[in-house]
Amino acid sequence: RKEVEQDPGPFNVPEGATVAFNCTYSNSASQSFFWYRQDCRKEPKLLMSVYSSGNEDGRFTAQLNRASQYISLLIRDSKLSDSATYLCVVQDQAGTALIFGKGTTLSVSS
Amino acid sequence: GAVVSQHPSWVICKSGTSVKIECRSLDFQATTMFWYRQFPKQSLMLMATSNEGSKATYEQGVEKDKFLINHASLTLSTLTVTSAHPEDSSFYICSALGSVGETQYFGPGTRLLVL
Repeated sequence: RKEVEQDPGPFNVPEGATVAFNCTYSNSASQSFFWYRQDCRKEPKLLMSVYSSGNEDGRFTAQLNRASQYISLLIRDSKLSDSATYLCVVQDQAGTALIFGKGTTLSVSS
Repeated sequence: GAVVSQHPSWVICKSGTSVKIECRSLDFQATTMFWYRQFPKQSLMLMATSNEGSKATYEQGVEKDKFLINHASLTLSTLTVTSAHPEDSSFYICSALGSVGETQYFGPGTRLLVL
């Protein structure tokens, strides 16, 4: 089965720290890539899409390496509110179901 | 932004009961809806893909006679867990897609506990 692999963590960091999450995917033909955030007992929410050129949204930077089938998420200046599980998500084709990794848990402490 | 609702948000039932979960797109028409299931500390796993007016497509290992999906309108899909057992206890989440290429919008999920 096609899979998305993530380090489950947990990552325990102090406020202000920079933390990086990595993800690999098995289907080289996958077309779309995302990072979702899931809070405890809630549905996942889109954090950002990931593009080959790399993209940034405030403190969050995402990178995609298609050759290595590798996706990353960098969070700078961590906040307490960043504590959540971060899901690496791949979509094989537009309009099809999303394929989720197990998620990486982040805990930011004061 | 687009909103997807699910009802009920949580269910506790006895083993052998059938449970129906509704997924509604509130401000857009969803040509496709997806049903996922998430067990504790596991990833969301796709159960089935539901297109309005046609039979759902089930993932390998998901029993179509146990998990009945009906997508009778462009704003409503239902998942019925028939004769639920404790191993069916999970977090069931739907997502709705307006048209090809658009973002999938997730419902808030339904937590099912079968005693």
